[in-house]
Amino acid sequence: KAGVTQTPRYLIKTRGQQVTLSCSPISGHRSVSWYQQTPGQGLQFLFEYFSETQRNKGNFPGRFSGRQFSNSRSEMNVSTLELGDSALYLCASSPAPLGRDSPLHFGNGTRLTVT
Amino acid sequence: GNSVTQMEGPVTLSEEAFLTINCTYTATGYPSLFWYVQYPGEGLQLLLKATKADDKGSNKGFEATYRKETTSFHLEKGSVQVSDSAVYFCALIHNNAGNMLTFGGGTRLMVKP
Repeated sequence: KAGVTQTPRYLIKTRGQQVTLSCSPISGHRSVSWYQQTPGQGLQFLFEYFSETQRNKGNFPGRFSGRQFSNSRSEMNVSTLELGDSALYLCASSPAPLGRDSPLHFGNGTRLTVT
Repeated sequence: GNSVTQMEGPVTLSEEAFLTINCTYTATGYPSLFWYVQYPGEGLQLLLKATKADDKGSNKGFEATYRKETTSFHLEKGSVQVSDSAVYFCALIHNNAGNMLTFGGGTRLMVKP
């Protein structure tokens, strides 16, 4: 079974631009959640989608948005990029919504550099 | 709100040494607790989990026991290998926070031959 696939693997953008990251979950998984990893803030939850609906959102500004398609693939968009948005963005998939027993499967991440 | 605190790294050990990485949490009630491992250039992998007090999670020689009385979930391994070198994250999930995953800051482990 293929794992969680994130594209692209690396991305370099200029401040003020916008960017779209993609995540393809494991086949049959309907929950996709996104995380930002930085040296200063560590790993922070961005949002979760299940069956095309956003269930939860972390404490991030409205510049960060996402969506999920009917095939469970998810995209994350960041508009008006700031230098502080440079990070490794991870997505994870799960068969069920995030919960006490949900096994999360992570992709290898997209490393975004904003210059 | 919920929070997870881990010992800061890096932790440097010789091969076959005993490993302990401390993790404590703040949350009401009974969250589920997890240890994830991140190898260089990769995403996170679930190492082990425990969903109720006194549960012991174990995998690949690693163990952690859910201690409600001390709100702790320390990771241990009796004999580490060079291949265990990675960053380890303690995390919790609780329905009092919409089931959002809360991570500790991560602990880098370096094992020398």
